[in-house]
Amino acid sequence: KAGVTQTPRYLIKTRGQQVTLSCSPISGHRSVSWYQQTPGQGLQFLFEYFSETQRNKGNFPGRFSGRQFSNSRSEMNVSTLELGDSALYLCASSLLVGQNTEAFFGQGTRLTVV
Amino acid sequence: AQTVTQSQPEMSVQEAETVTLSCTYDTSESDYYLFWYKQPPSRQMILVIRQEAYKQQNATENRFSVNFQKAAKSFSLKISDSQLGDAAMYFCAYRSAGDDMRFGAGTRLTVKP
Repeated sequence: KAGVTQTPRYLIKTRGQQVTLSCSPISGHRSVSWYQQTPGQGLQFLFEYFSETQRNKGNFPGRFSGRQFSNSRSEMNVSTLELGDSALYLCASSLLVGQNTEAFFGQGTRLTVV
Repeated sequence: AQTVTQSQPEMSVQEAETVTLSCTYDTSESDYYLFWYKQPPSRQMILVIRQEAYKQQNATENRFSVNFQKAAKSFSLKISDSQLGDAAMYFCAYRSAGDDMRFGAGTRLTVKP
């Protein structure tokens, strides 16, 4: 069974540009969550989707958005990139939602904003 | 707001010995789950062990076990017979119903041969 796949693995963008990151969950998983990981702030929750609906959203500006498709694949978009958006973006998929549901993580997309 | 605190930024252990990583959390909820995740240099987060708050028995997974003290809001991870492959960042995480998963800042574990 394939794991969580995130593309691309690495990305370099210029300030002011926008970027779209993709996450393909494990087959059959309907929940996808996104996290931003930085050395200074650690792992911070961005959003969670289940069956194409956003269930939770973290404390990030509106420049960060996401969506989930009918096949459970998810994308997140960051517009008007800032230097501080440089981070590792992790996607996690779960079979269901709920506090006891194990989350399986992808290897992340390393975004560098210059 | 729920917070998770890992007070040890770095820890080291000799191969084959035992090490304990600390984690405390703050919550007013009574039902929640706690997790320990491992992040090796490959960056992929891997679930090590999880504990349900309602279960008094401490969870165990092979060489990994936890010491869950609900009243003290403490959730430490013990790694026995440490192996070189255990070297990684370890994150403690908390999740309650309807909420997102909250992570601690992480502890970098070094295993010395």
